[in-house]
Amino acid sequence: DAGVTQSPTHLIKTRGQQVTLRCSPKSGHDTVSWYQQALGQGPQFIFQYYEEEERQRGNFPDRFSGHQFPNYSSELNVNALLLGDSALYLCASSLRFQETQYFGPGTRLLVL
Amino acid sequence: GENVEQHPSTLSVQEGDSAVIKCTYSDSASNYFPWYKQELGKRPQLIIDIRSNVGEKKDQRIAVTLNKTAKHFSLHITETQPEDSAVYFCAATLGGGGNKLTFGTGTQLKVEL
Repeated sequence: DAGVTQSPTHLIKTRGQQVTLRCSPKSGHDTVSWYQQALGQGPQFIFQYYEEEERQRGNFPDRFSGHQFPNYSSELNVNALLLGDSALYLCASSLRFQETQYFGPGTRLLVL
Repeated sequence: GENVEQHPSTLSVQEGDSAVIKCTYSDSASNYFPWYKQELGKRPQLIIDIRSNVGEKKDQRIAVTLNKTAKHFSLHITETQPEDSAVYFCAATLGGGGNKLTFGTGTQLKVEL
């Protein structure tokens, strides 16, 4: 049973660039949530996708956008990168009407 | 919105001792409370969870208690082992699925030999 996978594992970008992160949910799951985890902090909710639509959004600017594909995989896009966007980006998958979320290994983004 | 506070931020215990981590939440509508363990450079792993219709749940050396009236919940680890050393996060969310998790700030647990 495949768990949640994310790619790439690490990424280095410069300010102003754009980045796309990818997530494949756990087998059988249909809901994907994205979180940002700054160093030494708990994960912060960015947004959640179900049925290819954004269902909930946290306090993140419009520079953060996403997409969900028919196979339930998801992308997180960040435009106009800032130094403060450097963080571990975690994807979590779940079943639509169940609370339990399972996390992927994350993508560590460094913005220089 | 929901706010979750977690204490202590660091906790050092001797191997074999017990460890307790406490969290409080602000939204009385929250009714699902998971705990995650995150080792350095690894993903957060769900170790135990509790729903608001239950006051306590135990899984081997790990237990969680919930006081809905006081809006706080705690993680208890007994007979700690070096492999329990990690950062532990509590979280809270509305039940029924499809809702965001609000996390605490984490507790760095160190189990010393």
